[in-house]
Amino acid sequence: GEDVEQSLFLSVREGDSSVINCTYTDSSSTYLYWYKQEPGAGLQLLTYIFSNMDMKQDQRLTVLLNKKDKHLSLRIADTQTGDSAIYFCAESFSGTYKYIFGTGTRLKVLA
Amino acid sequence: NAGVTQTPKFQVLKTGQSMTLQCAQDMNHEYMSWYRQDPGMGLRLIHYSVGAGITDQGEVPNGYNVSRSTTEDFPLRLLSAAPSQTSVYFCASSSEQGHTNTGELFFGEGSRLTVL
Repeated sequence: GEDVEQSLFLSVREGDSSVINCTYTDSSSTYLYWYKQEPGAGLQLLTYIFSNMDMKQDQRLTVLLNKKDKHLSLRIADTQTGDSAIYFCAESFSGTYKYIFGTGTRLKVLA
Repeated sequence: NAGVTQTPKFQVLKTGQSMTLQCAQDMNHEYMSWYRQDPGMGLRLIHYSVGAGITDQGEVPNGYNVSRSTTEDFPLRLLSAAPSQTSVYFCASSSEQGHTNTGELFFGEGSRLTVL
């Protein structure tokens, strides 16, 4: 069936790079997203990538999409304590309102 | 813009009580949905709507009702609360994905419900 998988936890030191990974099964998606959820808050869109792209860079964020392996990653350069949050990957499908979310990766940044 | 507004933010219920979680959006989005978030289980879709008068079930609809009488509002009703419904509930909305629209889902701040 359709599934999006993420590891549950990641811990990094402040100033290091963080890489959060996501694998998915349905390759017909149009957009793939990364959402950030801070403690006690809702999810907010962090960045997205169109399915015909391999890479997208946005300041400290780099998104890599490997369609062959059905693998999406989010790299955060120079990770700060303010980056501590839960990160969800998700995909959506053209012509539908269907969204599939991963289980979320809790990133903890150690000072 | 207010975006997606949920009320209440916190609620404690006794088993068997009923209540309604309110959700309103001011972005004229056709699509609205309710998710519940539980530890280690990510987001699970409860019900969704693609327009006024149209609703459908998601992955975990049992014990919940919805209605969509206007574009703006999408309330979620718990008919007879059970401890298994203790969770954080999120309302989300979006407009249709297209050439200039990524179909981003906009989320409310969440409603934390405890059923004793």
